Amino acid sequence: QSALTQPASVSGSPGQSITISCTGTSSDVGGYNYVSWYQQYPGKAPKFMIYDVSNRPSGVSNRFSGSKSGNTASLTISGLQAEDEADYYCSSYRSSSTWVFGGGTKLTVL
Amino acid sequence: EVQLLESGGGLVQPGGSLRVSCEASGFTFSSYAMNWVRQAPGKGLEWVSVISGNGGTTYYADSVRGRFTISRDNPKNTLYLQMNSLIAEDTAVYYCAKDHRLGSYGYFDYWGQGTLVTVSS
Repeated sequence: QSALTQPASVSGSPGQSITISCTGTSSDVGGYNYVSWYQQYPGKAPKFMIYDVSNRPSGVSNRFSGSKSGNTASLTISGLQAEDEADYYCSSYRSSSTWVFGGGTKLTVL
Repeated sequence: EVQLLESGGGLVQPGGSLRVSCEASGFTFSSYAMNWVRQAPGKGLEWVSVISGNGGTTYYADSVRGRFTISRDNPKNTLYLQMNSLIAEDTAVYYCAKDHRLGSYGYFDYWGQGTLVTVSS
């Protein structure tokens, strides 16, 4: 099972906006609106950030937003803050009742 | 407060078996699907398996199907992963993760701290 494709790294300055892409196929990202995003600090468990492509769980800052176009989902972080520096993973339902993650993107706040 | 506490990790030889557990609290355990997600050292996340709230439905990643078995004991609020025929590629931190919505799968809203499984001779 191949992972979804994410850029290995992205960077931005405080206050800027960045976007992390997550590319799959019509069998996962493109075929279903079951995309989620997770934030992970080194040595810590992941945190649930986005579900159903663009919904935020309670307690997640509205600086985080999600979208999807075709086979590519995206996570946008606006008003970048130092505390946003972390690894980010997308996830999607994939046909045959399995779920797949992206390879992860390291966000650096300059 | 939702809490998930994994245990049972350790060092096991290739071809060996190990069972990891996850004790849950702070929510109605039997109402939610539960997952195992693993992360090899320095690598990304990999979904492993999910089990429905009543334990009647299970799904597995291709990489573990036929070797791993997920189960749960609802009266004990505990999730299990029995791992057999272990190979080096199974070396990872194993996280249990609660599903977000009643009756659905695939959104992991609470995670444990993880337990490390190392497969090596």
